[in-house]
Amino acid sequence: DAKTTQPTSMDCAEGRAANLPCNHSTISGNEYVYWYRQIHSQGPQYIIHGLKNNETNEMASLIITEDRKSSTLILPHATLRDTAVYYCINPGGFGNEKLTFGTGTRLTIIP
Amino acid sequence: DGGITQSPKYLFRKEGQNVTLSCEQNLNHDAMYWYRQDPGQGLRLIYYSQIVNDFQKGDIAEGYSVSREKKESFPLTVTSAQKNPTAFYLCASRGTWNEQFFGPGTRLTVL
Repeated sequence: DAKTTQPTSMDCAEGRAANLPCNHSTISGNEYVYWYRQIHSQGPQYIIHGLKNNETNEMASLIITEDRKSSTLILPHATLRDTAVYYCINPGGFGNEKLTFGTGTRLTIIP
Repeated sequence: DGGITQSPKYLFRKEGQNVTLSCEQNLNHDAMYWYRQDPGQGLRLIYYSQIVNDFQKGDIAEGYSVSREKKESFPLTVTSAQKNPTAFYLCASRGTWNEQFFGPGTRLTVL
């Protein structure tokens, strides 16, 4: 996997938007960025992925900068159940089998 | 419901025993994966299979074995050769856009 950099931890007030940044400065032109989260003692959960356009689904929005060197995952109205470790991953070429989960960002939603 | 199931949720093994962890998916995915997660750490790839009757070693395959006789099933055997098997084991399958869907995990403890 190509290297990504995320803050170790973040807090967000319940009901507010949580914005989680990720740097992926070595990403190549045809490589996607994927976001997952892992709630304590559960398996990771796929959230969203993108190439160069902003993406939105029922869980989150993904904003990718024009130079594609960074992205931001947005949880629009954070709830206590969004407390988890969030991973930003750039696996490399499409179909690359190696998916490396680093330490991610520990997001804590505060009541 | 479509998804990935793993069993058992908790497993205890005596030293010197082989144990097999079950992973089943009904997502019709070709590729499946096994990861290991140690406390406070990211995921490490043990084995993966891109198609029935084929599998490849990941980063930490020593002491583990797998089989892929059916598309839906990818069992992992933790052998007595694995020196430190106590960990959280996660199975995943790969979707159309290279995203991975994870099961709930099996927590293995060596007594």
